[in-house]
Amino acid sequence: AQKVTQAQTEISVVEKEDVTLDCVYETRDTTYYLFWYKQPPSGELVFLIRRNSFDEQNEISGRYSWNFQKSTSSFNFTITASQVVDSAVYFCALNGSGNTGKLIFGQGTTLQVKP
Amino acid sequence: NAGVTQTPKFQVLKTGQSMTLQCAQDMNHEYMSWYRQDPGMGLRLIHYSVGAGITDQGEVPNGYNVSRSTTEDFPLRLLSAAPSQTSVYFCASSLGTLKNYGYTFGSGTRLTVV
Repeated sequence: AQKVTQAQTEISVVEKEDVTLDCVYETRDTTYYLFWYKQPPSGELVFLIRRNSFDEQNEISGRYSWNFQKSTSSFNFTITASQVVDSAVYFCALNGSGNTGKLIFGQGTTLQVKP
Repeated sequence: NAGVTQTPKFQVLKTGQSMTLQCAQDMNHEYMSWYRQDPGMGLRLIHYSVGAGITDQGEVPNGYNVSRSTTEDFPLRLLSAAPSQTSVYFCASSLGTLKNYGYTFGSGTRLTVV
């Protein structure tokens, strides 16, 4: 079975704080892909990153960074120096090689950044 | 290039009514799928398709039908709407898992069943 768990339901921080969103996944596939999506209050789903299971390098994009650790089945997302515009629901998702066309989502983490 | 287009954006149905949520993509993507989003539950897969003429059930298929007669279109049919189907529905498309360029989502349909 494939599963994604985002244990943090809601996080509230003050602007300029760093915040890490946790994602733990389960899969028996050796080849799989992990994603992060952002859903701002407007409701659309915004793609942030895709990572394949063979690439464990951490990635940084501006204030965003991702830490992929196969040993702990985790794909955590850190926002550095958070801003009010980062307030959104963030979803982690998994696409296993055996699940063509299927994207398995976590429950989502609501991030509120206060000014 | 419109991407993934969902219609309507909002809909109110009475219990027992039927309707079709439309989804169209113009990117020649092989894979298309439907998700529903409910508070605290993330997005759950309803049905998906890996190509024209091929569909399969996802996690929560009951009460929904799909068909894929063309590569571009993947409509979702509610046969007899129930209040439990009140949700936000997202359609997504992808080139395919092997290449895995990621998924493009439509803007969503907010459905209320009264």
